[in-house]
Amino acid sequence: GAVVSQHPSRVICKSGTSVKIECRSLDFQATTMFWYRQFPKQSLMLMATSNEGSKATYEQGVEKDKFLINHASLTLSTLTVTSAHPEDSSFYICSARTSGLYEQYFGPGTRLTVT
Amino acid sequence: AQSVTQLDSHVSVSEGTPVLLRCNYSSSYSPSLFWYVQHPNKGLQLLLKYTSAATLVKGINGFEAEFKKSETSFHLTKPSAHMSDAAEYFCVVSDPAGTYKYIFGTGTRLKVLA
Repeated sequence: GAVVSQHPSRVICKSGTSVKIECRSLDFQATTMFWYRQFPKQSLMLMATSNEGSKATYEQGVEKDKFLINHASLTLSTLTVTSAHPEDSSFYICSARTSGLYEQYFGPGTRLTVT
Repeated sequence: AQSVTQLDSHVSVSEGTPVLLRCNYSSSYSPSLFWYVQHPNKGLQLLLKYTSAATLVKGINGFEAEFKKSETSFHLTKPSAHMSDAAEYFCVVSDPAGTYKYIFGTGTRLKVLA
């Protein structure tokens, strides 16, 4: 149980375009979802926290207009990188938790490359 | 505030020898602590978790960790390393103050020598 999927696993887009990444909890209701960014050989950096039906809470230094997060249902959250630039290239990982539990369940990640 | 320090950025061991990955935490509350493993270009897999039950926690693939409150440590050990254990390991503390955020350590890269 407690499986989180991400789609796509890899995406290449041109500079200036937008790309959407989906995060789904397959077998539980995700009251909270988290989006992380990971640079090569570094730890995960929390970008934002989203609760179902509420606006996402962004970490300091993360541009909310650039990284649009939507958590419209208890099983789906999306991250849209708008007007992508090469410096947005990274590994994006989502996680989800359900009510009453501390543990987060992680998706397999999405490798974004902006050319 | 919560924080996690992984004391070694790289650890190398020979196959068949013990593994020790060190983690110290700082928390104003009774923490929830986790160890995750990440293989290259993959997501995170939970190895084990401590949530205020038994202080010696057994996880998957022969890993275990001991919660020592007096030393504020949660070191990860395995009696005998396998080549497949080569990966990045993250120690994590969960923020109990209602946000449920994870605070990640900087990671330890484990190399297993044949």
